[in-house]
Amino acid sequence: AQTVTQSQPEMSVQEAETVTLSCTYDTSENNYYLFWYKQPPSRQMILVIRQEAYKQQNATENRFSVNFQKAAKSFSLKISDSQLGDTAMYFCALEETSGSRLTFGEGTQLTVNP
Amino acid sequence: DTEVTQTPKHLVMGMTNKKSLKCEQHMGHRAMYWYKQKAKKPPELMFVYSYEKLSINESVPSRFSPECPNSSLLNLHLHALQPEDSALYLCASSQGGPIQNIQYFGAGTRLSVL
Repeated sequence: AQTVTQSQPEMSVQEAETVTLSCTYDTSENNYYLFWYKQPPSRQMILVIRQEAYKQQNATENRFSVNFQKAAKSFSLKISDSQLGDTAMYFCALEETSGSRLTFGEGTQLTVNP
Repeated sequence: DTEVTQTPKHLVMGMTNKKSLKCEQHMGHRAMYWYKQKAKKPPELMFVYSYEKLSINESVPSRFSPECPNSSLLNLHLHALQPEDSALYLCASSQGGPIQNIQYFGAGTRLSVL
């Protein structure tokens, strides 16, 4: 069975600075997808970024980028130029191509301070 | 448009009540999901509908009864709930089919069982 681990329950960063959230995972499959979702106080889960395991190039979405290390089974999220609106719970998630279920990590609560 | 709409936003019910949660999407997605989320925890999958057929039931108690009347609509019927069922209930949808698809989430229904 697949597992996702986020070892940082809480993090904080000053506005405009850069922060990195960690995620490690385990799966026996070679083909899978990795995601970062954010859940602000408004409750809606919003997709931040997605990475296909077969792609070596790290995904980037504006201020958000990932460091995907397949051999180490590591998938960290870097947020550049942090903004107050980035304050949220961030969940790392994995989906194997053979199934239709997302496996979530326990989440990291990120607070951006003014 | 990547909107998944859930109603109501908040619901308070007694243990003897019958109520329903509703989820709607107009993205042409053929897979729909119900999740339960406790505070500061990741979502837990409850049910998956694929092409209007129940494909996954994560051993959810029978007091939760899902229904998918058509490809755009997903209901969760609630009956004789317990106080521990109080949680945020999230609906999600994805394109469905044999390839991996991104799940888009609604804002959830905050349920309190008295």
